[in-house]
Order: sequence, then C-alpha cells, then structure tokens
Amino acid sequence: GQQLNQSPQSMFIQEGEDVSMNCTSSSIFNTWLWYKQDPGEGPVLLIALYKAGELTSNGRLTAQFGITRKDSFLNISASIPSDVGIYFCAGLSGNTPLVFGKGTRLSVIA
Amino acid sequence: DVKVTQSSRYLVKRTGEKVFLECVQDMDHENMFWYRQDPGLGLRLIYFSYDVKMKEKGDIPEGYSVSREKKERFSLILESASTNQTSMYLCASSLTGRGFEEKLFFGSGTQLSVL
Repeated sequence: GQQLNQSPQSMFIQEGEDVSMNCTSSSIFNTWLWYKQDPGEGPVLLIALYKAGELTSNGRLTAQFGITRKDSFLNISASIPSDVGIYFCAGLSGNTPLVFGKGTRLSVIA
Repeated sequence: DVKVTQSSRYLVKRTGEKVFLECVQDMDHENMFWYRQDPGLGLRLIYFSYDVKMKEKGDIPEGYSVSREKKERFSLILESASTNQTSMYLCASSLTGRGFEEKLFFGSGTQLSVL
C-alpha cells in the first residue's frame, strides 16, 4: 500500500525550543493530517489540511500542506513538557482509509 | 463527549489461544477500524468495517479476523495467537459510511502480550 516517510523518528529538545517534523510520500494526497498520541492514550487529531500550499495553525502548532501534495510539515513553537508524545502524519486520498506515517517521538527536557 | 472503549488495557495470553479484543463506540459512527502499533512501524491497519456485518481487509489482515454484529461494536479475533502478535492494538471509529474522513476517534489501546 501507500507509504509515508516521517522524520525524524525521535527528538530530544529543551523546553522552550521550536520543533519541526515532516512527512513525505511518493503519492499525492488530497488531505494531510497531524495526530498526537499522549503516553497511554490513542492518537488525537491536531490539524487537518485540505489544499496544496495551505498553512494552518492550532495554538503553538503550525502545519503546511506541501505544494506538490506529496509532503507536509508540522512546527511546534516554544515547546512545553506536555508536548511530549508521538506525532503522526496521515494522508487521505480517494476512497481508501487513512495512511499513517511511522511517527515522531518527542521528548522535552525541562 | 465521544468515546471509544476497548475492553482491556492489558492482556496476557498463551501461544495458540483464541483471543477476542472488544471495542465499543457510543457515537453512532458508521466506520470502525482496528490498528496495531509497534515501535518504529507506526499504525498499521488490520481490518475495517463501514457497516454492520461488513468488513474489509486492511494492510496486515493475516492471522486476524473481525466481527461486527452491531453498529457500535467491532471485535478483533486472533484465532490462534502467536508471539509475533504481541503488540498494542488500537480501535478507532469515524462518522461517514462508505467514505473516509480525517477525524478518527481512537480508544486508549489494548497492550497484548502473547507468551
């Protein structure tokens, strides 16, 4: 099936730093999504992107839908301890279920 | 508040046992999904269902089956558990029937260990 390449696989950052992660694919997607999984919980949708070039914010989070429709980026500004978790990108195209990336595990050092 | 409930948080089973993982949603959602989550491999789709008694194979259906007798309940069955099925299993649901939408609601997961 379709695959998403998500990087980095893990990150260790100091509290207050900005974070960037990205997701690429060889296939085009109509919708790009970013989910966050807190420790011990299921993933929760953070941001949804519907148009190429779209830039969307949700508090300290900003995500972009790449112009080629084959990539997406997530930035977190001024990280705090509760940002810890696993971030997943996901793509949606046509009449098939979501395709998920392998996740970026974020650790924040106070 | 929307809720997807998985019956067990932790489960330990022996090789060869038949295992049932239960999932219930209270949102009247059409679609339900079963994923497994392994470190470094992300979320992989096992089976999904877009209506009662309907089921479709996902990316890794081998060794699993599912049952959806009622709209709110979607069960994952391991007919004969093996050690390589030790994993975190996540159930999810979404609203739209026969289409797919971006907002999945996930349960908290069942960590299954097969010894």
